[in-house]
Amino acid sequence: SQTIHQWPATLVQPVGSPLSLECTVEGTSNPNLYWYRQAAGRGLQLLFYSVGIGQISSEVPQNLSASRPQDRQFILSSKKLLLSDSGFYLCAWSLGGRGEQFFGPGTRLTVL
Amino acid sequence: AQSVSQHNHHVILSEAASLELGCNYSYGGTVNLFWYVQYPGQHLQLLLKYFSGDPLVKGIKGFEAEFIKSKFSFNLRKPSVQWSDTAEYFCAVETDSWGKFQFGAGTQVVVTP
Repeated sequence: SQTIHQWPATLVQPVGSPLSLECTVEGTSNPNLYWYRQAAGRGLQLLFYSVGIGQISSEVPQNLSASRPQDRQFILSSKKLLLSDSGFYLCAWSLGGRGEQFFGPGTRLTVL
Repeated sequence: AQSVSQHNHHVILSEAASLELGCNYSYGGTVNLFWYVQYPGQHLQLLLKYFSGDPLVKGIKGFEAEFIKSKFSFNLRKPSVQWSDTAEYFCAVETDSWGKFQFGAGTQVVVTP
């Protein structure tokens, strides 16, 4: 069966520090991968998606970037965190272009 | 621009009451429709989905949803809620071949004993 992992589960970082959040999927090949940010009362905002290794599409201009160095690994990064980057970050995967997405447990990021 | 609207941000109801959560979307083409639920401290998980066919779909835990194409709506229902249905519910619409979802803002449902 397929599983999705995210780490760390929680993270507290100072403003201006770098960020690296990791997401890995097991039990499937060539998934579509997604990064979302969840804010209270605002639902989930799609940040990045990837349909293959090295292929990243950005949905929202921001202080973050994403990379997919391996088929089942998706990384969310920042060179210098802002206060506004605080939030709950979710990784998700799906098979093919249309259909159900499966979500990871999320990372709670607090920028101080 | 495409959007997904959930009519209620917070709903409080008693056990055994009926629940209906509204979801409307703005997109004129073919869509796939989803309801996700997030129980306290747990992952987002799928309640039900609609791709095509019978517009009344049944999901897990006694939930169902009806797709009304003319109204661009996909409302979620449960005839009799339980305390364990306390959760946040999200409507999502998939509009393109890349699997990009547009989520509603979510509805926090609290069921009191």
